[in-house]
Amino acid sequence: GESVGLHLPTLSVQEGDNSIINCAYSNSASDYFIWYKQESGKGPQFIIDIRSNMDKRQGQRVTVLLNKTVKHLSLQIAATQPGDSAVYFCAENGYTGTASKLTFGTGTRLQVTL
Amino acid sequence: KAGVTQTPRYLIKTRGQQVTLSCSPISGHRSVSWYQQTPGQGLQFLFEYFSETQRNKGNFPGRFSGRQFSNSRSEMNVSTLELGDSALYLCASSLLTGQRGYTFGSGTRLTVV
Repeated sequence: GESVGLHLPTLSVQEGDNSIINCAYSNSASDYFIWYKQESGKGPQFIIDIRSNMDKRQGQRVTVLLNKTVKHLSLQIAATQPGDSAVYFCAENGYTGTASKLTFGTGTRLQVTL
Repeated sequence: KAGVTQTPRYLIKTRGQQVTLSCSPISGHRSVSWYQQTPGQGLQFLFEYFSETQRNKGNFPGRFSGRQFSNSRSEMNVSTLELGDSALYLCASSLLTGQRGYTFGSGTRLTVV
């Protein structure tokens, strides 16, 4: 039968504008969060990560914000470029002390218009 | 430094067959995890191996299995293939279990007909 795909939210931004991608996570005990970028035909590519003892972390053109009170992550991309067009996933690492497992969000498709 | 290498890149199999996928982690990385990506379910954890031992397993039927060799290379096997097993299978490696810096391969696209 026909499979129903996940509805990927799409964020459309103009080149040069800032992008904000949001993610809600489920496990309040998660210690470590990661943002990945996935381009068509490729595996997820690491962008930036943050530990639960931090609220904010900055990289090159990217910033991740963590709000543990409401279990919310956001990824901010400054001066968005056409090469930023991709699907973005947040992931939480459920590390038990002996094993780990990444739980991914459904993803957001970022479209950069010229 | 070479990234995570997955072979083959594409596979077409018939229902009922079995398949083996291979993953070579980044040199020095000892943890290898496998994920299934489908349009319907997104990215889902299959299992994690560290030092040749399965450390964690996702919610998949017993038809899905894996192993890790002493050189940290890993294989996953799916037996009695079903149409719903069609997916992109991704392997990720990291230096140690639970550590930062999971690096993904480009995946194996499995189509079951």
